[in-house]
Amino acid sequence: EAQVTQNPRYLITVTGKKLTVTCSQNMNHEYMSWYRQDPGLGLRQIYYSMNVEVTDKGDVPEGYKVSRKEKRNFPLILESPSPNQTSLYFCASSPAGTHEQYFGPGTRLTVT
Amino acid sequence: AQRVTQPEKLLSVFKGAPVELKCNYSYSGSPELFWYVQYSRQRLQLLLRHISRESIKGFTADLNKGETSFHLKKPFAQEEDSAMYYCALGFHMDTGRRALTFGSGTRLQVQP
Repeated sequence: EAQVTQNPRYLITVTGKKLTVTCSQNMNHEYMSWYRQDPGLGLRQIYYSMNVEVTDKGDVPEGYKVSRKEKRNFPLILESPSPNQTSLYFCASSPAGTHEQYFGPGTRLTVT
Repeated sequence: AQRVTQPEKLLSVFKGAPVELKCNYSYSGSPELFWYVQYSRQRLQLLLRHISRESIKGFTADLNKGETSFHLKKPFAQEEDSAMYYCALGFHMDTGRRALTFGSGTRLQVQP
């Protein structure tokens, strides 16, 4: 089944403890991105990747890192999480030539 | 700057009533517009894209470039239509970045 998967789905952590949220897609899509979803703000793009080893900042990149060593994986790294990063995070992928994005199930992160 | 506006945070209708979810956009180029839907505790899914001019689950949306609108319509709402709906604008930035800007979303509640 063609899909985007994320792990973990739920995570509660403490301020400053490094964490990684994994994202994987099996559709051979070139483009992948991370969003955060907050009430009243909709979805905002954190980082995106146009292909392997090509990443760039989205609208709200502060406090996040990403890497794209393989086409299928695009992990999101929070080196020192803070409470304002408590949010619902979505990974998405997209084939070349289209803006249509396929979303993962989401990761609900709580930083205390 | 590109912007998508969904003026209603919540739209409540009775089953069988017509539905119109409003979306206005701001973009100087040729827009690529989408409607995404998020059912409770599920991932975002593509509902409609303006270039295909299709009808999905009874929903339609017409791009009106003069009014810069892409309103989502359904003649008879069903209870299973209750969900969060996001309008999104796809565009390319000068850097080549492919971006999808989302509105803040409208929650549709269909009452029995």
